[in-house]
Amino acid sequence: KQEVTQIPAALSVPEGENLVLNCSFTDSAIYNLQWFRQDPGKGLTSLLLIQSSQREQTSGRLNASLDKSSGRSTLYIAASQPGDSATYLCAVRPHRDDKIIFGKGTRLHILP
Amino acid sequence: IAGITQAPTSQILAAGRRMTLRCTQDMRHNAMYWYRQDLGLGLRLIHYSNTAGTTGKGEVPDGYSVSRANTDDFPLTLASAVPSQTSVYFCASSRTTGPNEKLFFGSGTQLSVL
Repeated sequence: KQEVTQIPAALSVPEGENLVLNCSFTDSAIYNLQWFRQDPGKGLTSLLLIQSSQREQTSGRLNASLDKSSGRSTLYIAASQPGDSATYLCAVRPHRDDKIIFGKGTRLHILP
Repeated sequence: IAGITQAPTSQILAAGRRMTLRCTQDMRHNAMYWYRQDLGLGLRLIHYSNTAGTTGKGEVPDGYSVSRANTDDFPLTLASAVPSQTSVYFCASSRTTGPNEKLFFGSGTQLSVL
């Protein structure tokens, strides 16, 4: 059964620093991996989707990479800002069952 | 603004009562989903619908039912609520069931069953 893990569960970083969030998954047979942002009391917003044939995707200060063979993805946030404070979740869409499986998220706090 | 609307925003419900959570989208998306989000357990799929007129069971369907009479609406019903159904419920949609479609989420319904 596919499992998605995000470590650490929480992270505090001073403003302006670059940071990396980690996501690992147990079965490499996936269609894609998505990174989402969730603000307190809100729904999830899709940030980046990396198809299985791709190695990375970029949007502004965000860069997501995918290494399917090792079952890992990273979300790189450059020049962090207080507005980046949120919970970041990764999710994979496996070939088997075809239903998206979410990690439990990393709660990020950018210190002003 | 186009998107997904969920109602109510929050609800306190006595155990044993029936409750319907509403979800409407105006993006003409074919696929819709209901998730619950619980601390320590993350997001889990309750039910889904690939297109109007069809529904399917997700990971945790027991105690819940759904219907999809049209493209826009996907209500979730708790026939007889129990305290373990206290959770935040999210409705989501995607344009199709294609493997690389992005998911769009509503703002959620906070449900407390006492």
